[in-house]
Amino acid sequence: GENVEQHPSTLSVQEGDSAVIKCTYSDSASNYFPWYKQELGKRPQLIIDIRSNVGEKKDQRIAVTLNKTAKHFSLHITETQPEDSAVYFCAASTFDTGNQFYFGTGTSLTVIP
Amino acid sequence: ETGVTQSPTHLIKTRGQQVTLRCSSQSGHNTVSWYQQALGQGPQFIFQYYREEENGRGNFPPRFSGLQFPNYSSELNVNALELDDSALYLCASSFGPRLAGEQFFGPGTRLTVL
Repeated sequence: GENVEQHPSTLSVQEGDSAVIKCTYSDSASNYFPWYKQELGKRPQLIIDIRSNVGEKKDQRIAVTLNKTAKHFSLHITETQPEDSAVYFCAASTFDTGNQFYFGTGTSLTVIP
Repeated sequence: ETGVTQSPTHLIKTRGQQVTLRCSSQSGHNTVSWYQQALGQGPQFIFQYYREEENGRGNFPPRFSGLQFPNYSSELNVNALELDDSALYLCASSFGPRLAGEQFFGPGTRLTVL
């Protein structure tokens, strides 16, 4: 089955700086890569996603890049704000066989005011 | 907030007991996936239900079983509970198993096995 690795496990940045979280996946058939944000005690919520036919996607301060050849994808958050502090999870799925998500172990991001 | 609901919110059981967790999917969604999230870990895929049939299973033993009902709500059953089953159990609903897109998560059920 799919194996997703995520780094770093913890990340602290100053407010206004950028944060980068990286994930690798093992199954070359994976073709959909969502990123979820989970605040303490709350449910995971989608912040951005990318399909394998796209190399990069941006949504305001958040961007995701995908390198299919190397089987890795990254989340970039620019101009970080204290409310960005949360745990971020990457996931991979093969949507045409079921869209079952395989998650990374999470990155705890702390934005220091 | 999504329209996905789960019950109960918290549950305490003892080793060897059985438990049933419930999930109501968001309106219009016909697919429900269940995940186990141990403390400090990412959600682990248990299984997925689509139109009342199991549509994929992760690396979990048969004592984890499920159901999906005609209204697309779902149950997760765990028999012979073990201490390691203590976790947050999340369900997520989506439009279909072959559509790339967001899965909407419920708030979870926190299961503690003593």
